[in-house]
This record gives sequence, C-alpha cells and structure tokens, in this order.
Amino acid sequence: AQTVTQSQPEMSVQEAETVTLSCTYDTSESDYYLFWYKQPPSRQMILVIRQEAYKQQNATENRFSVNFQKAAKSFSLKISDSQLGDAAMYFCASNQGGKLIFGQGTELSVKP
Amino acid sequence: GAVVSQHPSRVICKSGTSVKIECRSLDFQATTMFWYRQFPKQSLMLMATSNEGSKATYEQGVEKDKFLINHASLTLSTLTVTSAHPEDSSFYICSARAELRADYGYTFGSGTRLTVV
Repeated sequence: AQTVTQSQPEMSVQEAETVTLSCTYDTSESDYYLFWYKQPPSRQMILVIRQEAYKQQNATENRFSVNFQKAAKSFSLKISDSQLGDAAMYFCASNQGGKLIFGQGTELSVKP
Repeated sequence: GAVVSQHPSRVICKSGTSVKIECRSLDFQATTMFWYRQFPKQSLMLMATSNEGSKATYEQGVEKDKFLINHASLTLSTLTVTSAHPEDSSFYICSARAELRADYGYTFGSGTRLTVV
C-alpha cells in the first residue's frame, strides 16, 4: 500500500526560531506531487507548499521550505522565523492515483 | 483562486435519520471530488472519490449504502449519511480538483461537523 508517514505527533518551537517537520512516503508512481497542508483550529485545510517530484530544486514559499530527498523518499518542511500564527496541525500528503493521501499529522505549538 | 463551499458547517441529527452534506466548487469545474472523514486529533481518511456523472469509488472498509455520494454536475457533490448512528459522528471534509489543472491543485471545503444524538 502506498503510504505517507509522519513520525512526530507533536513538535514545539520558540517564536522566531526554526523548526523542521519530518515526512516519509512510499509510492510506486514515477510522477507525483508532494504537499504540506496546515490545519488551524478552524479545521480549514490550507496549502502551505507543494513539490513536483520530477523537479530537483526544493520548493520555497516565504518562510516555508522543503528538503526533498527523492531517493530516500523523504519530504521535510522547514519553518523559519516561526510565528504564533504558525501553530496548527501540519499534514504531509502525496497524490497517488489522483487521490490525496495524508500522513498522521504533526501538531506544532509555538511558544512566545 | 479556487473556492469550495461546503454546507452545513455543523449539523445535529437524531439517530436513524439521514443527513446530506453539500460541496460546491464556486469558480471552477470540479471533475473529481473527494470525501474525507476526520476524527479529533487524527488525520484525514479518504472515504470515496467521485467523478462527475459516474458512480463513486469507495475506499476499503467504507459502507457504500451508508455513505451515499452523488456528483451530478461539475460543481456539486453531495454526501448523504443514511440511518445515522452516534458512531457516524465526525468531521467530514470535501475536496475538489479540476482535471485541467496541471499543478494537481486540490481545494478543500471548510468541513462539516456531524453530531448524531
């Protein structure tokens, strides 16, 4: 079965510091996308960043960047200059067969 | 940008009754829609995939007769929880994708909290 695994149920970071959330995945597809989504207490799913598997360059969106290691099937999210508003559940996801499959999630707390 | 409207946001129903949840793509044609279920502090579990004009494809373990999905148009999909029971209480989220979008964009509704009493 194709899977997405997040091994960190909870993470904590000091405001203005940097934190990295881990994600590994397994897929048999040659062309796929990887995603990080943020789910705040409102429970609205918000796309944070997206990576195309055939692109070697790591995606970056302002304070958010990824470390994509295709051979290792690893896709971690780095949040720089953490802000209080970054506190949320973060889900890693992979589109497999057109379906979006999610990891278990990491709950990020930001300490002032 | 792409917007998906999901209604209702909250619903309370009596055990044994049916509840319908709507998911509409407001500014794009959603060739494929997905329905997820999420328990507190857990991940989103895919229940089914629906393509406009055809029968939904259900994930293993999801009861087709309990969770009826209709995708009659390119902008509307509905999930009906039939003969609801307290164990069906959960957070349900829809997601829509436009086939023509090369970036595999998935847009999510705001979710529906279902409570069965």
